[in-house]
Amino acid sequence: KQEVTQIPAALSVPEGENLVLNCSFTDSAIYNLQWFRQDPGKGLTSLLLIQSSQREQTSGRLNASLDKSSGRSTLYIAASQPGDSATYLCAARDFNKFYFGSGTKLNVKP
Amino acid sequence: DVKVTQSSRYLVKRTGEKVFLECVQDMDHENMFWYRQDPGLGLRLIYFSYDVKMKEKGDIPEGYSVSREKKERFSLILESASTNQTSMYLCASRRTGGEEQYFGPGTRLTVT
Repeated sequence: KQEVTQIPAALSVPEGENLVLNCSFTDSAIYNLQWFRQDPGKGLTSLLLIQSSQREQTSGRLNASLDKSSGRSTLYIAASQPGDSATYLCAARDFNKFYFGSGTKLNVKP
Repeated sequence: DVKVTQSSRYLVKRTGEKVFLECVQDMDHENMFWYRQDPGLGLRLIYFSYDVKMKEKGDIPEGYSVSREKKERFSLILESASTNQTSMYLCASRRTGGEEQYFGPGTRLTVT
C-alpha cells in the first residue's frame, strides 16, 4: 500500500523567504501527484498537479517537481507572504485512489 | 466553475444516532469519494463510487456505509454514530479519465 510522508509537519518563516516543502511516497508507480492547500476548517484547494510523465509544474510563485525514481516531490514557494499561511498536502494517485500525506502547516510571519 | 457541495459545515450528533452526510457535485463526474481527516493522520479514504449504484470500500470503511442513487449525489451514512467518528469529513469528485480531484468544503462532525 502506498505511504505518503510530508516533512516537516510544521514550518514558520519570515515574510519574503523562499521555502521548500517535501513529499515522499513509497510506490513509484503513480499516475500523478497533486499538491493542495487547506485553510483552517476548510476543504482542499488544488494548487498544482504533476503527471507521472512530467518533471515539474509552475503556477505563479509556486513550482512543484516530481522525481518518481526516488519517490519524492517538492513544492517550492518563492517570496512567501502571510497569505500563504495554510496547511499544504500532497496526494499520490494510484489508478482510482489518492493517498495523502498528513500535511505541512506553514506560518509566514509578517 | 467546478463545484462540490456538502450538506452541512458543522454537525453535532449523539452517540447511537444515524447520521447522513450528503455530497453533491455539478460537474457530471463519474467518481466520488468520501474521506475523513484527523490531526496527524491526513486524509483517509472511507468509500468511493465510480458509477451510480456502484461502490468500493476504501481503507477505513468500518462503521460507515454509502449510497449513490444519482450520479451527482453521494451519501455517507453512519449507522450508529460513535465518539471515535468525530472528525472532519471531506467529499471529492473526479471525472473518469480526468487527472484532478475536486473537494467540497468539508463537514465537521462532533459525536457526543
